[in-house]
Amino acid sequence: LAKTTQPISMDSYEGQEVNITCSHNNIATNDYITWYQQFPSQGPRFIIQGYKTKVTNEVASLFIPADRKSSTLSLPRVSLSDTAVYYCLVGPRATNAGKSTFGDGTTLTVKP
Amino acid sequence: GAVVSQHPSWVICKSGTSVKIECRSLDFQATTMFWYRQFPKQSLMLMATSNEGSKATYEQGVEKDKFLINHASLTLSTLTVTSAHPEDSSFYICSARDRASVTAYNEQFFGPGTRLTVL
Repeated sequence: LAKTTQPISMDSYEGQEVNITCSHNNIATNDYITWYQQFPSQGPRFIIQGYKTKVTNEVASLFIPADRKSSTLSLPRVSLSDTAVYYCLVGPRATNAGKSTFGDGTTLTVKP
Repeated sequence: GAVVSQHPSWVICKSGTSVKIECRSLDFQATTMFWYRQFPKQSLMLMATSNEGSKATYEQGVEKDKFLINHASLTLSTLTVTSAHPEDSSFYICSARDRASVTAYNEQFFGPGTRLTVL
């Protein structure tokens, strides 16, 4: 599985847009990029998944450049409740369901 | 839909005892379930992959005789920590793959986790 690199931590303020970038230089042709959110003492929660270009859902957007060696999770207008750890996973869709190697994640702290 | 539960949510036990943790897919059938362990302020570490009706596949470094995994039905997998010791204290999280959605957008659903504390 492709190794991922994310910033260890990020700070933001309520109402701001937050962009978290993940590097995955060894991404394979059939790999997808999936982002999860985890609150303390809870299991991870799926946020968004994409293969290329841009994907948007009701909670976030995912930007993937043409070379797919990185991806950016964009959270619009964050609130205090968005304080959590965000993980980027890369792997084939079938593998994303397991054998997923979680990287260190990015701890996002949203301040009032 | 796609809810995964774990029981218990937390457990405290004495050193040397065995603890069983259940993982259930409530509204879907899961041919495959996964068990993770997470220490404080660390990432999730995959321990094993559990397939219904077959033996679990353990990751390198995970003792299969210590962490017994049973996946007897399409909705239930259990993890038994045998002869638990304080170093086994951790947050154990399961996830499940929906049998019906092999190519679904999101194929992995996580449980809420079980906090194990071994005294």
